[in-house]
Amino acid sequence: AQTVTQSQPEMSVQEAETVTLSCTYDTSESNYYLFWYKQPPSRQMILVIRQEAYKQQNATENRFSVNFQKAAKSFSLKISDSQLGDTAMYFCAFMKPGNDMRFGAGTRLTVKP
Amino acid sequence: DSGVTQTPKHLITATGQRVTLRCSPRSGDLSVYWYQQSLDQGLQFLIQYYNGEERAKGNILERFSAQQFPDLHSELNLSSLELGDSALYFCASSVGDPGQGAGYGYTFGSGTRLTVV
Repeated sequence: AQTVTQSQPEMSVQEAETVTLSCTYDTSESNYYLFWYKQPPSRQMILVIRQEAYKQQNATENRFSVNFQKAAKSFSLKISDSQLGDTAMYFCAFMKPGNDMRFGAGTRLTVKP
Repeated sequence: DSGVTQTPKHLITATGQRVTLRCSPRSGDLSVYWYQQSLDQGLQFLIQYYNGEERAKGNILERFSAQQFPDLHSELNLSSLELGDSALYFCASSVGDPGQGAGYGYTFGSGTRLTVV
């Protein structure tokens, strides 16, 4: 079974600074997908970024980027120029083709003014 | 608005009762997934449907059941409710066939907050 581990239950960052959230996963598959979802206080789950395991290039979406290390089974999220609106729970998720998405326990990020 | 509609948004009920949660997927999406999120916890996968057929089950209790109808909306039925069933229940949808593993990610609804008293 695939497991997703987020080792940082809580983090904080000053507005305009950069923060990195960690995620590791366990799988024997070579083809899979990885995701970061954001859950603000509204509780809505919002897709932040996705990565296909067969692509070596790290995904980027505006201020959000990932550091995908396939051999190390690591998938960290970097948020640049942090904004107050980035305050949320962040969930790392893994999906094997043909299967459902499995989530980590989440990291609560607080952006301080 | 994500395009995935869940009703009701809030539900308060007593132990032992039965409730039905409803989900309408985003237009064009054939797959529906149900997740449970207990307070400050991660999301636990319950069950998955594709075009009316059950495709996968997660840690879904026997007291819980679900189905997807011909119009693609889905319902999650929770019976003999216990205090521990209090949680946020999410429905998500995706465009692809899970068996083909498109990997586009899911679009989530805003959830149904269930409180069992």
